[in-house]
Amino acid sequence: AQTVTQSQPEMSVQEAETVTLSCTYDTSESDYYLFWYKQPPSRQMILVIRQEAYKQQNATENRFSVNFQKAAKSFSLKISDSQLGDAAMYFCAYRGAQKLVFGQGTRLTINP
Amino acid sequence: GAGVSQSPSNKVTEKGKDVELRCDPISGHTALYWYRQSLGQGLEFLIYFQGNSAPDKSGLPSDRFSAERTGGSVSTLTIQRTQQEDSAVYLCASSFRRYNEKLFFGSGTQLSVL
Repeated sequence: AQTVTQSQPEMSVQEAETVTLSCTYDTSESDYYLFWYKQPPSRQMILVIRQEAYKQQNATENRFSVNFQKAAKSFSLKISDSQLGDAAMYFCAYRGAQKLVFGQGTRLTINP
Repeated sequence: GAGVSQSPSNKVTEKGKDVELRCDPISGHTALYWYRQSLGQGLEFLIYFQGNSAPDKSGLPSDRFSAERTGGSVSTLTIQRTQQEDSAVYLCASSFRRYNEKLFFGSGTQLSVL
């Protein structure tokens, strides 16, 4: 079974600084997607960024980018120029042929 | 609708009572998922619907949990004889088709079992 591990339960960063959230996963599949979701206090999960495993180029969405290391099964999220609105729980997720599997989450705090 | 709608937003019940949680997915989305999020935890998969059928119900924690979907649209998650460990946020998500990578989530139902 696929597993997703986020080893940082909590992270904090100064506003305008850069922070990196870690994620590793375990799978025997060759074709899959990886995601980062943001969950603000409203509880609604918001897709931040996705990466197709067959693509070598790291995905980027404005201030959010990933470092996808397929061989190492690592998928970290970098948030540049952190803003107060970035404060939330961040979940890494994996989807292969079956259901979407989530990590345990990282609570990100932005210090003004 | 414009998004995935879940009701109620919050539910408080007494131990032993039955509860029904509702999910109204985005119109046209054939795939529907239920997840459970316990306090401070990640999301735990419960069940997946494709249309009205549930090809994967492997995450349902016990036979007290059941779910159905009618008309390829609204889904109801039922928990019978609730226990305190059932307290969690129950999230529903839908997507256009199963292998579509983008899931749209509702805001969840916060269930508290006293």
